[in-house]
This record gives sequence, structure tokens and C-alpha cells, in this order.
Amino acid sequence: EIVLTQSPGTLPLSPGERATLSCRASQSVSSTYLAWYQQKPGQAPRLLIYGVSSRATGIPDRFSGSGSGTDFTLTISRLEPEDFAVYYCQQYGSSAWTFGQGTKVEIK
Amino acid sequence: QVQLQESGPGLVKPSQTLSLTCTVSGDSISGGSYYWTWIRQPAGKGLQWIGRIYTSGRTSYNPSLRSRVTISVDTSKNQLSLKLSSVTAADTAVYYCAREIFSSGWYEGTDPWGQGTLVTVSS
Repeated sequence: EIVLTQSPGTLPLSPGERATLSCRASQSVSSTYLAWYQQKPGQAPRLLIYGVSSRATGIPDRFSGSGSGTDFTLTISRLEPEDFAVYYCQQYGSSAWTFGQGTKVEIK
Repeated sequence: QVQLQESGPGLVKPSQTLSLTCTVSGDSISGGSYYWTWIRQPAGKGLQWIGRIYTSGRTSYNPSLRSRVTISVDTSKNQLSLKLSSVTAADTAVYYCAREIFSSGWYEGTDPWGQGTLVTVSS
């Protein structure tokens, strides 16, 4: 099983600041199958990014994804109040999906 | 607009079988290049993939749950189902159904998700 480790666990920032979230895989991941999700309390996860860097429909361009191999990054260029949430990376490999443990972006 | 809605008992006794249904509206469960997937989330914790089924009926499961999981579809009702046997308290979680999108063989994300349903395992 491919393990995804996200860092930091919590990211305290202020609105308007830049957020950089990391997702590191225990072995190389196919870029085709690397995605990011946002989850707010009491809600289901929402797809943000797929294929490392493609934004899902309706996702603002302040969200961007990058990376390859074992290291991937989700960047939020300027945090809006609605962006404070938990973010998960996801990958498919060895016939199974796995998720990172999540990064909580909280208001500083 | 595709919508998914989970339903089923909110309370299941230990050692029994958890059974959930996901009703799909706005799309045919047997059409398109989709996998239909189940994911769960214990309270305050992260996401765990349970398993998936393709429109052809082919299934794959999380190795850690494979011996206890069955996923199937009822195309006549446009529903997806999950059965998890021999449950324990560790299976208490919010259970989500979702659609994995593939276009020309390329994965385009898991979207949409149902709102989720809480299942508690307790006597």
C-alpha cells in the first residue's frame, strides 16, 4: 500500500496569505491518479485538483497543484475566508486508493 | 446534475452486517466510464477507501477490508450497495458513496460525493 504523508498537520494563516500544503508518497505515484480534496465540517469532501494540476470544474484559479514522483504540493495563492478547511491528497496505486491524513488550514 | 444519496440503518450491532444503499440521480449508473466507490471517515479522522465497482460490474476492494466487503449495483433502481460483515466498533464512521470519473482512460477525479451517512456499531 502506498502511504501518503501530508504536512504540516495544521497550518495557521491569515486571509490573503499564501498556503503551501505538502503530500509525500512512500513510493512513486502515477501523476494521472493524484488528486486533492477540500473538506469543511459536516460536509463531504469536494474535488479540487486531479491529475496533479488540473482544476476541477468551478474551482477558482487561486488553487493550483504541482509535483511528480513522490512529492506533490497544493498551493492556495491568496486565502479567502471560505478556504479555511481540511485538505486531503489522494492517490491510486497497487490496486487501491489511499488518502493522506489531511492538513487543516486554520485562521491565525 | 448528478446527485448521490446514501441510506441505511444508522445503528448496527457488533458482529452483524452493515448494509447501505446509494441512490444515483441525474445519471445512469450503468452508463459512462465511471467507477462507483465507497469511502468512510471515522469521526475526527481521515478518509479510508473501502472499494469500488465499475459499470461492467468489476469490483476491487481495500485489502484491509476485502474479506468482509461486498459492493454491487442494481441497475434497475440506479443504486449502488455496500455490505460490510462482522462489524465492530472500529467500523463506526460516516460512509460516503462517490463517482470516479474517467474520460478517454484518464482519471478526472472523484466527484460528486453523497452527503454521507453515519453508521454507529454498538450493542
